[in-house]
Order: sequence, then structure tokens, then C-alpha cells
Amino acid sequence: AQSVSQHNHHVILSEAASLELGCNYSYGGTVNLFWYVQYPGQHLQLLLKYFSGDPLVKGIKGFEAEFIKSKFSFNLRKPSVQWSDTAEYFCAVKLWAGNMLTFGGGTRLMVKP
Amino acid sequence: EAQVTQNPRYLITVTGKKLTVTCSQNMNHEYMSWYRQDPGLGLRQIYYSMNVEVTDKGDVPEGYKVSRKEKRNFPLILESPSPNQTSLYFCASSSGQGGNQPQHFGDGTRLSIL
Repeated sequence: AQSVSQHNHHVILSEAASLELGCNYSYGGTVNLFWYVQYPGQHLQLLLKYFSGDPLVKGIKGFEAEFIKSKFSFNLRKPSVQWSDTAEYFCAVKLWAGNMLTFGGGTRLMVKP
Repeated sequence: EAQVTQNPRYLITVTGKKLTVTCSQNMNHEYMSWYRQDPGLGLRQIYYSMNVEVTDKGDVPEGYKVSRKEKRNFPLILESPSPNQTSLYFCASSSGQGGNQPQHFGDGTRLSIL
């Protein structure tokens, strides 16, 4: 069965620190990759997505992610975090030929002012 | 305004009492889906629908039913709820039949089954 792993469950950073959140998935077919963010008490919102082309994708609010096919990874990065980035972040993967979207377990980020 | 609307937002009920959580989208999306969110487990897909009258099981379908009689609505039915179904539930929709496009999520429904 397909699976998505986010190895960091909780991350605490100070403002202006750099962020990298890991995401690995377990299947080798053509995939669509997503990062979603959930601010406290809110629903999930799309940060960025990768379908094809340039493996470095840029999303909203200064976030970017790099798809490394050989490593089955899609890590999320931000050079300098802000207090307002405090949220839970979810990686999601969908086999292009399939119909199910599989989420990772989430990473809870806290940014200290 | 494009949105996915879930009702109710909060519900506390007792074991065995049938309940329905409604979901409606106004974007004419083909693909709709239900997820449950539990701490440390992320979101797990319960059921999805690729179009009217087309539904299929996700990762955790046991104890749930769905129907898709109209394109805009995708209710989640718990025929005989149990405490292990206490969770936060999200409905989502996306364009395209395969769900390849990003999902639009509702605001969530917090269910407590006593």
C-alpha cells in the first residue's frame, strides 16, 4: 500500500531561522505531490504542488519544495520563518493513475517570536 | 465565493445513533472526498467519489457510508457510530475526475461519540 512519511512530528524554531520539513513516499509510479498547511482552528490550504517539469516548485508565502525522484522525496523549505508560519504542515501524494490521495502524518511547526 | 460547506461543525452524540454529516460544494467539481484527521496520523481518506453515482473506498471506510446522488453533495453517513469514530472530519472537492487537482477543503466537523 502507498504510504507517505513525515519524519519530523514537531519542530520548534525561532523567527528568521530556516526551515526544512521532510516528506518521503513509498511508490515508484508517476506522482502528483502536494504540501498543505493547516493554521490553528482552520481547514487545510494548499501551499504548493508538483505535477511535472521543474522539480523545484515555489508556493505561497515564500515556501518552496524540491522533488527528488531518486530519493522519493518532496521536502518543504523556507529560508526565513515568521511567527505567522506556526501551523501544521501536511505532505500528500497521489499516484497520477490512481484516485486516492494519501497524506503524511503531519508536522507541527511552532515559531517563537 | 467558492467553498465547501460542511454541517454540522460540531456534534456530540451517543453510540449507535445514526448520524449524517452533509457536504456541499459550489464549484461544479467532479471529485469529492471525505477524510478523518487524528493526532499523529494525519488525514486518512474514508471514501471518495469521482462523479455522480461513482464512489469508492479510501483507506479507512469501515463504519461509514456515502452517497453521491447530485454533483454538489456528498454526505457521510455513520449508521451505528462508535467511540473510535470520534475524530475531526473534512470534506474536500477538486476539479477533474481523478482528483489530480488540489483539493478544496471544508472547515471540518468535530464528532464526539460517547
